[in-house]
Amino acid sequence: GENVEQHPSTLSVQEGDSAVIKCTYSDSASNYFPWYKQELGKGPQLIIDIRSNVGEKKDQRIAVTLNKTAKHFSLHITETQPEDSAVYFCAASIELTNDYKLSFGAGTTVTVRA
Amino acid sequence: ETGVTQTPRHLVMGMTNKKSLKCEQHLGHNAMYWYKQSAKKPLELMFVYSLEERVENNSVPSRFSPECPNSSHLFLHLHTLQPEDSALYLCASSQETLLPNTNTGELFFGEGSRLTVL
Repeated sequence: GENVEQHPSTLSVQEGDSAVIKCTYSDSASNYFPWYKQELGKGPQLIIDIRSNVGEKKDQRIAVTLNKTAKHFSLHITETQPEDSAVYFCAASIELTNDYKLSFGAGTTVTVRA
Repeated sequence: ETGVTQTPRHLVMGMTNKKSLKCEQHLGHNAMYWYKQSAKKPLELMFVYSLEERVENNSVPSRFSPECPNSSHLFLHLHTLQPEDSALYLCASSQETLLPNTNTGELFFGEGSRLTVL
């Protein structure tokens, strides 16, 4: 099965700085890579995703990049704000097949210092 | 109410107790999931129900018993749990198509039920 590794496990950044979280995956057939954000006391929520037919996707202050050859993908948060403090999970799956269940990374706890 | 609602939010139980976790989704989805979240570990998929049929059971011990009476409700019945079962249990839902090989992965999670087994 798919194995997703996520680094770092914790990340502390100064407000206004950038944050980068990296994930690697093992199954070269994986083609869908979502990122979930979990705020304190809440369930994870999808914030952005990328499919294997593109290398980068942006949505305001967040962006994801994908390197299929190296089997890794990253989340970039620019101009961090206190509300970005949360646990972030990367995941991978084989979309558009019957084996589409998400495999999650272990999560990154991001703390934005004011 | 909107989204996915889980009750109770917190539960403390002894190893000999029987309790149940409840999940209700108001999104009109046709698939529901139970995940276990432990600190510093990936989310672990426990059970998947699609169109009220259990389609996946990831080698979960029999002391966890799921029930899906309809597409909006999902239960997790707990019996003779162990302290290592203490975790946050998350329910999620998604909309699956009925056509083969057309599913995408977005999940909508509830806020979770924090379980402590003494």
